[in-house]
Amino acid sequence: GAVVSQHPSWVICKSGTSVKIECRSLDFQATTMFWYRQFPKQSLMLMATSNEGSKATYEQGVEKDKFLINHASLTLSTLTVTSAHPEDSSFYICSARDKKTGISPLHFGNGTRLTVT
Amino acid sequence: GQQLNQSPQSMFIQEGEDVSMNCTSSSIFNTWLWYKQDPGEGPVLLIALYKAGELTSNGRLTAQFGITRKDSFLNISASIPSDVGIYFCAGRNQGGSEKLVFGKGTKLTVNP
Repeated sequence: GAVVSQHPSWVICKSGTSVKIECRSLDFQATTMFWYRQFPKQSLMLMATSNEGSKATYEQGVEKDKFLINHASLTLSTLTVTSAHPEDSSFYICSARDKKTGISPLHFGNGTRLTVT
Repeated sequence: GQQLNQSPQSMFIQEGEDVSMNCTSSSIFNTWLWYKQDPGEGPVLLIALYKAGELTSNGRLTAQFGITRKDSFLNISASIPSDVGIYFCAGRNQGGSEKLVFGKGTKLTVNP
C-alpha cells in the first residue's frame, strides 16, 4: 500500500535555529502533499498545501516566511521551521495524495515531534 | 471555517463491548474518512466513504456516510485491548478542494 515516510521522527533544537522536516512518498508519486500541526490532545490542523513545482498555499494565520515549504519533486516535500521558538514545539504530520488514483484517501506519515528549548 | 463535531470525546468500555462514535457537520461533505491514531504516530486510515448512504466494513469496523452528507458514524464491534487509541473523523467538502477537515477525536479506552 501507499507509504508516506517522515524524517526525522523527532528533533530537539535550540531557540533561534532552523529545522527541516522531510516528507516522502515511498511507492507513489504525489503532486500534492499537506502539512499539519497537532498540539497535545488536540486534532490535526492544516498548515499548508504543498504542490509540486509551484508555491505552497498557506492556511490563514500560518506565517509562510516562518514555515518554508519546498515540494521539488513528486516524491518529496520539505517543511523548514525557521528561527524556531518554544511555542513552535508540536507534532508535525504530513500527508500525500497519490497522483494516479484520483480521489484516493490521503496517507499520513508517522509525524515529527519537534521540541524547541 | 468548517468544523466537525465529533462525539463522544472519550469512551471507557470493557473488552468485548461494541462502540459507536459519530461526526456531524454544518456543511455538506463528499468524502468521509475515519482514522485511528496511536500515541506518537500519524493517523492510519480505517475506512473511506465516498457516497451518501454508503455503508462500509473493515473487519470489526463499520462506518456509514449519512444520507444528508452532513454526518457519519463509526462502529467497532467486540472491542479488544488493541482498539485503544484516538479515532478521528475527517471530511472533504464538495468544492473540489483537497483539504481535509478533522474532528476533535474520540479517545477510546478498553479495559481487559
